[in-house]
Amino acid sequence: QKEVEQDPGPLSVPEGAIVSLNCTYSNSAFQYFMWYRQYSRKGPELLMYTYSSGNKEDGRFTAQVDKSSKYISLFIRDSQPSDSATYLCAMKLSGSQGNLIFGKGTKLSVKP
Amino acid sequence: ETGVTQSPTHLIKTRGQQVTLRCSSQSGHNTVSWYQQALGQGPQFIFQYYREEENGRGNFPPRFSGLQFPNYSSELNVNALELDDSALYLCASSSVGEYEQYFGPGTRLTVT
Repeated sequence: QKEVEQDPGPLSVPEGAIVSLNCTYSNSAFQYFMWYRQYSRKGPELLMYTYSSGNKEDGRFTAQVDKSSKYISLFIRDSQPSDSATYLCAMKLSGSQGNLIFGKGTKLSVKP
Repeated sequence: ETGVTQSPTHLIKTRGQQVTLRCSSQSGHNTVSWYQQALGQGPQFIFQYYREEENGRGNFPPRFSGLQFPNYSSELNVNALELDDSALYLCASSSVGEYEQYFGPGTRLTVT
């Protein structure tokens, strides 16, 4: 079993839809959780980061962490064609400097 | 504020050759991490440098080596290139004590 599982999609939605992206993980020691957005042939861009369970909102984006279920989500409200990209979840152990563990990424397409 | 930069953008090498990739960290950041991203996969941690020393390493063979310079820029060296080394190589910078990592645009390496 991989440490971080993420459905690669592709996921196609109409403009304006609410998008839900999810990752599950097996290591209960993960403490920090991040979502990156990666456009084609570009480096990942940090979107959201959270520590411990709960919700965090930033504009149209909401990150949710449920440590009891080892499950994290990213919601995108009022999705736009410019949101079309690959979304990567990443997580990190407490105290470690590097070593982000990534999911495979979910490819999202928002159709006008 | 200057972001993370990487050079070159693209590189084509022959199996058995050696390659050096370069990274300049975001201003104010003193830690550099390198990741390998194969097509359709999430980034995989290679190693991290802090204060010019390796500070953590992923599951990569010794032919992957690196350096960090006093200005916090970094190099990734790969010897005896193999076909499977073809990937996007990403550099990420961060500040010690903070867990957010910010990525550069990557260097796309093709080994033929």
